[in-house]
Amino acid sequence: SQQGEEDPQALSIQEGENATMNCSYKTSINNLQWYRQNSGRGLVHLILIRSNEREKHSGRLRVTLDTSKKSSSLLITASRAADTASYFCATTSGGSEKLVFGKGTKLTVNP
Amino acid sequence: SAVISQKPSRDICQRGTSLTIQCQVDSQVTMMFWYRQQPGQSLTLIATANQGSEATYESGFVIDKFPISRPNLTFSTLTVSNMSPEDSSIYLCSVAPGSRVFGSGTRLTVV
Repeated sequence: SQQGEEDPQALSIQEGENATMNCSYKTSINNLQWYRQNSGRGLVHLILIRSNEREKHSGRLRVTLDTSKKSSSLLITASRAADTASYFCATTSGGSEKLVFGKGTKLTVNP
Repeated sequence: SAVISQKPSRDICQRGTSLTIQCQVDSQVTMMFWYRQQPGQSLTLIATANQGSEATYESGFVIDKFPISRPNLTFSTLTVSNMSPEDSSIYLCSVAPGSRVFGSGTRLTVV
């Protein structure tokens, strides 16, 4: 079953703009991860944020986590056409390593 | 991080037949997972492949339809049995714990 719900479902921006995607989940989590998928191919792990962390950075990526609201956001700054992809959040909870994925946001960055 | 070789990358199959998908990892891993991604959708966990014992299936997935083998800590197969067009999806394997790595996916079309 889906845990995370991303919004927006689709986002179209111009190169150089920032892109923000949000994810909400329903149960307590161990960690939340963001993945990128290009054109229905394999997933690339972007960043992991633990339940006791509030913000994490990696290059042009910034992830925040608000456990009180059960939500996370992924910010991509200075977007590039190569960032065009689908982005998914996924959570683990309890003692399990199983990932429960959100529905995803399809990002299009126009050159 | 582990590297996963997944094959085949794609196949077109006749309904009623079966397809076996393989995932080979370049290092020993504790857990291997199999996911399905239906067209335009997110990923859903099919099962956890356990070395030396039967796989653990998620709700809605059964062994007769998706038999899984895991003969050692570096290899697993997923068979999609008695296929119908509804089985047309991308199937992906993943490993844990540690950095979450996915295979490149198998795009299956059933005609």
